[in-house]
Amino acid sequence: EPEVTQTPSHQVTQMGQEVILRCVPISNHLYFYWYRQILGQKVEFLVSFYNNEISEKSEIFDDQFSVERPDGSNFTLKIRSTKLEDSAMYFCASSEASGLAGVEQYFGPGTRLTVT
Amino acid sequence: QKEVEQDPGPLSVPEGAIVSLNCTYSNSAFQYFMWYRQYSRKGPELLMYTYSSGNKEDGRFTAQVDKSSKYISLFIRDSQPSDSATYLCAMSERLTGGGNKLTFGTGTQLKVEL
Repeated sequence: EPEVTQTPSHQVTQMGQEVILRCVPISNHLYFYWYRQILGQKVEFLVSFYNNEISEKSEIFDDQFSVERPDGSNFTLKIRSTKLEDSAMYFCASSEASGLAGVEQYFGPGTRLTVT
Repeated sequence: QKEVEQDPGPLSVPEGAIVSLNCTYSNSAFQYFMWYRQYSRKGPELLMYTYSSGNKEDGRFTAQVDKSSKYISLFIRDSQPSDSATYLCAMSERLTGGGNKLTFGTGTQLKVEL
């Protein structure tokens, strides 16, 4: 069964450093998302990406964040200068379509980011 | 008022019990209503979704939506220890630029005891 994969599973970085979180969405999917979950809190939407553009971003997704689809398979989230409060589980998700046909978003296992 | 409210639990039930999980929401723009299951330190796994008021059944799971009250429920019949997980309700709104944005509840932690 196709699945979303994410690497690394755990990333430890020092405050101020840049990190890149990587995702391989399901191959025929067109819509890609990043969500995050701070420990003990709810899963929060960060950004959606379609047709090589950001279609929506949340207030959390400030200038420190960027997303890219560098090739036909990978989807990345970059945090330019990490802060302690960026420590969270980051989930990548993808869906085949939009609207009702795109309701089914498939999530990856997550990357746990720890900023020290 | 939070967009989506969900009782975090924890909820502990004996094996075989009927479990009722609930969420309320305030945003009328939400079009689709989902239930995800999340095991510790794993990604959310979609269980069911619906987009209209009423019931939808899938095996031991029934999702119920009441749009007039902005209230959704998930019922689990004949609960099993393997159902022990955190259950997240999620509401979806279509994005004008493409795709759907999910807004999650805090999740209810369920433990089914032998």
